[in-house]
Amino acid sequence: AQSVSQHNHHVILSEAASLELGCNYSYGGTVNLFWYVQYPGQHLQLLLKYFSGDPLVKGIKGFEAEFIKSKFSFNLRKPSVQWSDTAEYFCAVMEDTDKLIFGTGTRLQVFP
Amino acid sequence: DVKVTQSSRYLVKRTGEKVFLECVQDMDHENMFWYRQDPGLGLRLIYFSYDVKMKEKGDIPEGYSVSREKKERFSLILESASTNQTSMYLCASSLAAASGSHEQYFGPGTRLTVT
Repeated sequence: AQSVSQHNHHVILSEAASLELGCNYSYGGTVNLFWYVQYPGQHLQLLLKYFSGDPLVKGIKGFEAEFIKSKFSFNLRKPSVQWSDTAEYFCAVMEDTDKLIFGTGTRLQVFP
Repeated sequence: DVKVTQSSRYLVKRTGEKVFLECVQDMDHENMFWYRQDPGLGLRLIYFSYDVKMKEKGDIPEGYSVSREKKERFSLILESASTNQTSMYLCASSLAAASGSHEQYFGPGTRLTVT
């Protein structure tokens, strides 16, 4: 069965530090890849997605992710984090169905 | 703007009670989903519906059932609530994948406590 691994469970950074959150998936076929974010007290919302084409995708709020097929990875990056980026981040994979498989999430805390 | 609403933000029920969680979406989406979110476990799919009266089990359907009588409404039912069903329940909806859009839109969640 398809699985998604997020290696960092809890990340603590100071403002202006760079961020990289790891995501690996197990499926070898065509996948659609997503990062969702959940700010404290808010709905889960889409940060960015990859379907095909340029493996470097840009999302909202300065986030980007790179799809590396050979490594089954879709890591999330941001060059300089802000206090407002404090949230929980979820990587998700969609196979050839409409269903998403989520990773366990990474809790990011950014201190001023 | 897509809107997914859930009937309650917080719910407290007793063990053995029948519990209904309601979800409504206003964007004519074909697909609707129920997840539970637990710390350290991420989101796990309970049930999925791709059309009215159609349903498919997700990864953790035991102890749950669902109902979709109208396109906009998807209900999650706990036939006999147990303490291990204490969790955050999230509803989501999306267009069918054939449309080319795969984004799921989430509701605010219902935090259910079973005592």
